[in-house]
Amino acid sequence: AQKVTQAQTEISVVEKEDVTLDCVYETRDTTYYLFWYKQPPSGELVFLIRRNSFDEQNEISGRYSWNFQKSTSSFNFTITASQVVDSAVYFCALSVPNSNSGYALNFGKGTSLLVTP
Amino acid sequence: EPEVTQTPSHQVTQMGQEVILRCVPISNHLYFYWYRQILGQKVEFLVSFYNNEISEKSEIFDDQFSVERPDGSNFTLKIRSTKLEDSAMYFCASGANTEAFFGQGTRLTVV
Repeated sequence: AQKVTQAQTEISVVEKEDVTLDCVYETRDTTYYLFWYKQPPSGELVFLIRRNSFDEQNEISGRYSWNFQKSTSSFNFTITASQVVDSAVYFCALSVPNSNSGYALNFGKGTSLLVTP
Repeated sequence: EPEVTQTPSHQVTQMGQEVILRCVPISNHLYFYWYRQILGQKVEFLVSFYNNEISEKSEIFDDQFSVERPDGSNFTLKIRSTKLEDSAMYFCASGANTEAFFGQGTRLTVV
């Protein structure tokens, strides 16, 4: 069985603060993919990043960075110098590949981030 | 930039009616998906479609639901005899490989 836990339901920060969104996953498979999606108030789901289970190298993209640690089954997301436009719900997701069925995503419950001026 | 498009953006239907939600996936993608998000809740997987057939479905995807790719471009989700609890945002997604790119969603309201 697979499970994604985002323990933080809501986070509120002041602009320019750094904020880390936690994600813990469970799977028995050795090959899997982890994702982060952003859902702004307009409602669409915006793909942010994908990591595979064999690549623990952390990644930085502008103000965004991701810390993947298999030892703790975590895939945390940090926004540096947060901005009001970062206000959104952020979802962590897990998929276990199946060549026939594709890569169905198992989402966490999401963390609602509010960045105030 | 190619994107997944969904129509309509919002649909209101009476309980018991049938609805068809439409999606145009990105053209060179092989995997197609429908997800559902009840207001304020997490995004839930409904069904995946590959090689012109359902490849995986969740417990939510019961006999009330069906999917089709009728003409090689559109990908539809049909809900027969809608119930109040079917009210949700429905997302279509497509992918060539591991990533899934989502449409903007169709908000279904059953009254």
